[in-house]
Amino acid sequence: GAGVSQSPRYKVAKRGQDVALRCDPISGHVSLFWYQQALGQGPEFLTYFQNEAQLDKSGLPSDRFFAERPEGSVSTLKIQRTQQEDSAVYLCASRGLAGISTDTQYFGPGTRLTVL
Amino acid sequence: DQQVKQNSPSLSVQEGRISILNCDYTNSMFDYFLWYKKYPAEGPTFLISISSIKDKNEDGRFTVFLNKSAKHLSLHIVPSQPGDSAVYFCAASGSVGDYKLSFGAGTTVTVRA
Repeated sequence: GAGVSQSPRYKVAKRGQDVALRCDPISGHVSLFWYQQALGQGPEFLTYFQNEAQLDKSGLPSDRFFAERPEGSVSTLKIQRTQQEDSAVYLCASRGLAGISTDTQYFGPGTRLTVL
Repeated sequence: DQQVKQNSPSLSVQEGRISILNCDYTNSMFDYFLWYKKYPAEGPTFLISISSIKDKNEDGRFTVFLNKSAKHLSLHIVPSQPGDSAVYFCAASGSVGDYKLSFGAGTTVTVRA
């Protein structure tokens, strides 16, 4: 497809379960970002990849959160031993090479995670 | 510590009138600013941006104004249309090409027919 896709769109997990969220960026985009959006808030940065290299993971809230992009395209955000405070929408965005005309991040529809 | 603030959580405007959305920031290193629009169950969609070398950028019905000394920017939508009803997020980064965006909490715009 032409845009960023994410799956699943909705995920309900019991507290303590592990979850994996998938992101398919726009084809050819080298940069990929994960954001967490809590209810009523704006997206907050989690982590950033350039190709397969994770260059910044400073926004990951705990060591239960892990992201990977092994082949420089699809990315997976994994959350281990989910807690109720992990409930949020997880947004993925991608971007082409940095430059004056291609600085925009394009977002996917998000995965809404609910931890019971 | 929220570095980008949208102090109005909601705005209601009549169709055909002007919508003005405001955004304030605290980090003086921010150099590039964007507005995103979000419909329910969709991801944010880029709307318009401005770099600090400008004080105004216009794209059709959308104009963004930047007052760097006041650390304030605004988005004007003229004329407002029903399809403009959405949540609008202000975002900022250190410079064009900087990867990390800081977002405000959003303003929900409702355009009344």
